[in-house]
Amino acid sequence: DTAVSQTPKYLVTQMGNDKSIKCEQNLGHDTMYWYKQDSKKFLKIMFSYNNKELIINETVPNRFSPKSPDKAHLNLHINSLELGDSAVYFCASSRGPTTNEKLFFGSGTQLSVL
Amino acid sequence: AQTVTQSQPEMSVQEAETVTLSCTYDTSESDYYLFWYKQPPSRQMILVIRQEAYKQQNATENRFSVNFQKAAKSFSLKISDSQLGDAAMYFCAYGLYNFNKFYFGSGTKLNVKP
Repeated sequence: DTAVSQTPKYLVTQMGNDKSIKCEQNLGHDTMYWYKQDSKKFLKIMFSYNNKELIINETVPNRFSPKSPDKAHLNLHINSLELGDSAVYFCASSRGPTTNEKLFFGSGTQLSVL
Repeated sequence: AQTVTQSQPEMSVQEAETVTLSCTYDTSESDYYLFWYKQPPSRQMILVIRQEAYKQQNATENRFSVNFQKAAKSFSLKISDSQLGDAAMYFCAYGLYNFNKFYFGSGTKLNVKP
């Protein structure tokens, strides 16, 4: 069973569209994250939720809105997509919100905005 | 600000040989964690090894070991007896103790030659 699964794996869309990426973890973890990996492979945190509560919100355009319906799910909705949003988006989870906890990553969603 | 620098964008090693990947970080904190993550072509990020800054002993995990130099803010990864399956991007990461945020370097692509 996949521990952290995100869908879709690939997403190709036009500028201005709205799209969502879904993430689910079956590890019983309390904390979930969204990371963005740009074309230069830089991996940067976007959001972190602990028990459905937002605890980290980096400097991300408000076109990006995470939603955590329950502890096992953290979805990412993006409005009015722009070319610069093209990247690989990783969902991750950890047992707790402290940095001594190992991160478990999904396999990424490659978003291409045309 | 916390930053993580990996100065080697790409490295190559012969199968069965040893290779060392470099990582330096910048922080004014004394309690933190350091990690090496591996990202194979499948894109899934996998934890390789973790080091607590308060521990002087270098972490080891089978063929993987680190050389942690706290004063120099250096955290290199040594891979012994390199295998073809070690070919991947390797990311160094820093996490401030009890603070739910990880900072990643830009990665080093490791090629393993048969």
